[in-house]
Amino acid sequence: DAMVIQNPRYQVTQFGKPVTLSCSQTLNHNVMYWYQQKSSQAPKLLFHYYDKDFNNEADTPDNFQSRRPNTSFCFLDIRSPGLGDAAMYLCATSRELAETQYFGPGTRLLVL
Amino acid sequence: AQTVTQSQPEMSVQEAETVTLSCTYDTSESDYYLFWYKQPPSRQMILVIRQEAYKQQNATENRFSVNFQKAAKSFSLKISDSQLGDAAMYFCAYRAPWDMLTFGGGTRLMVKP
Repeated sequence: DAMVIQNPRYQVTQFGKPVTLSCSQTLNHNVMYWYQQKSSQAPKLLFHYYDKDFNNEADTPDNFQSRRPNTSFCFLDIRSPGLGDAAMYLCATSRELAETQYFGPGTRLLVL
Repeated sequence: AQTVTQSQPEMSVQEAETVTLSCTYDTSESDYYLFWYKQPPSRQMILVIRQEAYKQQNATENRFSVNFQKAAKSFSLKISDSQLGDAAMYFCAYRAPWDMLTFGGGTRLMVKP
């Protein structure tokens, strides 16, 4: 089945140690999004890619970076995780910006 | 900026009964899209139902239906014949064309057997 896959599902890192989260899709969608979701809160958009064009939200900290080496994969890099970065990170895709977003299962990040 | 408000942080419903989750939004756009997403505990967010603002007819998907009141900027979700598997966080979301999703704060739905 076509889907959005996130690896790993759970990630533990140490304070200040860089970490990379992975997202892949078999939907061949043009747009990929990264959201941060803290407990019992709404997802907060960090950035999105339209094809290779990167679009950062104005309030996304510089600590968060992203890469999209090809259509199928997108990575979220957290350069120096702080305790406040512990959250669920959701990847989503859509065929076009105006179309419905489909979410992956998320990666829960724990920072020790 | 658009805002989406879900005024009910938590709701509960008896199995097999009907429940309505509220959502209001603020926008100056005339053309936009509204969504309800369901996020079960520790599981992924899935789309429940979608409504285009230009369509007057309320969207329906099996036991899920919406009451879209464009003038009142209201978009409520009705779940009929509630099932245990309906227990989840429900997020209302808004999107103007070529813009990003704006989510409401969510409503946690509990289903009592």
